[in-house]
Order: sequence, then C-alpha cells, then structure tokens
Amino acid sequence: DADVTQTPRNRITKTGKRIMLECSQTKGHDRMYWYRQDPGLGLRLIYYSFDVKDINKGEISDGYSVSRQAQAKFSLSLESAIPNQTALYFCATSDVGASGELFFGEGSRLTVL
Amino acid sequence: SQQGEEDPQALSIQEGENATMNCSYKTSINNLQWYRQNSGRGLVHLILIRSNEREKHSGRLRVTLDTSKKSSSLLITASRAADTASYFCATGNTGNQFYFGTGTSLTVIP
Repeated sequence: DADVTQTPRNRITKTGKRIMLECSQTKGHDRMYWYRQDPGLGLRLIYYSFDVKDINKGEISDGYSVSRQAQAKFSLSLESAIPNQTALYFCATSDVGASGELFFGEGSRLTVL
Repeated sequence: SQQGEEDPQALSIQEGENATMNCSYKTSINNLQWYRQNSGRGLVHLILIRSNEREKHSGRLRVTLDTSKKSSSLLITASRAADTASYFCATGNTGNQFYFGTGTSLTVIP
C-alpha cells in the first residue's frame, strides 16, 4: 500500500459543486501539504499543516479550504468549484526534524466543467 | 510568487549524454531539493542540498548550489531512456514551506 494515499484519483464535476479531496498517510509525519499542478506553472502551494491544530495558507489558498482531521488525514475542499480550478492536486508529507524531503501521493485529477 | 524558474523548459538528448538543468529562485533558502515526476505521477525526491553546501553527489546525479546567485544546477550523467521525466527544483525555507520551480521536461532518446 502507498504511504500517501489520495482519493479520488480522478473526478469530473460541474461549476458550483462542492468537492472534497482526501489525503491519508501511514508515514507518521506531522507535516502535510496540498499542492496544485498546472501545465507550465509547476506546483503551487495551497495549504499546509504542521500538526492537527496548525493550518496555514500557501500561495494560492483563495477558493480552497482544508481540514486536518487527524495526524494522518488532511482534506482539501473546494466549496464552489470553478473551471480554473481544473488541475492535478497533490498531497505531500514531511517529517519534523528530518531532511525536509517531501513524500507525495499519486495525485487527484480534478476537472471542473 | 515564490516560485523558482527552471531552464531549459524542455531538453532532448541521446542516451549516454549528460543532461544539465538549472534552477533559479528568489528568496533565502534553508535547502534546495530536486524531484522527478514521471508523466502524471507523484513526485519522487532525488537529492537535497543544504544552503551551506556547494555541491552534492548521489549516484549519477550531481547538484550544485550558488546562494549568491540564487541558483542551482542538476547534472545527470550517462543518461538512460528511463531518465525521461520532468524534473523540479524545490526550495525549503526556515518555515518548512517548499516552493517548486516550473520544471524541466527531459527526453532521453534511446
């Protein structure tokens, strides 16, 4: 089983719908991150969390919210999806005090029509 | 934006040749990392270099860092077809946020 699991892997939805992307990890890491990837723009940081009670905005948090339900779970929500939120979304984890290496999930491809 | 930029955007070489890609960034860093991404997959960590290091090696990978120029380079020696992927640099700051570059798409022709 993967250390960082994202669900769903693919989702097509319509403008205005609420969408939740879920991430769970078995690595025991405290730090979790959500990124979005667009062609030509690389990965951009949406939100990050250093523990269950700590949530921080990244570069592009507008239109998104997150929930850290447990150390192992970090969910990303789009309250009212719009077409320019069509992208590949990645969850990642890292360990406190370690090298800072990020461990990524396989991604969730979201299409908003 | 805190994103870095990578150069070139795309690189095509013959198997056995060396591949060099560069990363420039904007802010002070704690470390710089390089990641590889096969098409549509998650990113995989390759190598990390700390801000007080100038060069680091790992197998066929060589990374350099010049903090005065805010730039890094990744050299892949003796490339293989299996090295075909996108490569991203990521800067880590003291706040443990990581910002990625725009990526270099490498194609190694057998």
